[in-house]
Amino acid sequence: DVKVTQSSRYLVKRTGEKVFLECVQDMDHENMFWYRQDPGLGLRLIYFSYDVKMKEKGDIPEGYSVSREKKERFSLILESASTNQTSMYLCASSGSSYNSPLHFGNGTRLTVT
Amino acid sequence: QKEVEQNSGPLSVPEGAIASLNCTYSDRGSQSFFWYRQYSGKSPELIMSIYSNGDKEDGRFTAQLNKASQYVSLLIRDSQPSDSATYLCAVNRRGGYQKVTFGTGTKLQVIP
Repeated sequence: DVKVTQSSRYLVKRTGEKVFLECVQDMDHENMFWYRQDPGLGLRLIYFSYDVKMKEKGDIPEGYSVSREKKERFSLILESASTNQTSMYLCASSGSSYNSPLHFGNGTRLTVT
Repeated sequence: QKEVEQNSGPLSVPEGAIASLNCTYSDRGSQSFFWYRQYSGKSPELIMSIYSNGDKEDGRFTAQLNKASQYVSLLIRDSQPSDSATYLCAVNRRGGYQKVTFGTGTKLQVIP
């Protein structure tokens, strides 16, 4: 079974802090993704990575950056957290084929105060 | 026009009935289609994937794809209260790297 692990289930940070969200997958998947999920807006893609050190912007990359130094690990970085970044953050991984489904981690509920 | 559209619901069906969930997409070149189930407070989990026109059955679930109409649906037969969840339609666009777009989901309520 594919396992995608997000380091924190709940996180509370202050405005202006630098925030790191970590994600690890154990299935040797090429692709990794970061989404945020907000009521009424659904899942929106922030960034994805198709290989080590490679990344592509998703639909809402502003205010975020990512890092993928190892194949199994994909980090989301909020350079200076703001209250409008309060959300549920979901990491996912998949194989390289367009038929490969996404496998999600349990999510991180981030609150920025 | 949204890339992937779903009726937000809630869709209420009695226990034992067939639940029909619908999704339309805008990119005619989309290649692969997925249905995910998401319980409240949990992350999405894959139910079905479909890539060719027609029907695909897996237990009580049937996915239907009509690429000409840009329409994909999910039927749940013999609905159970445990099926109550939000169902997300996801579409993988053609070309380039895999980039999956999700609809906002349909909330299903199965009434005992």
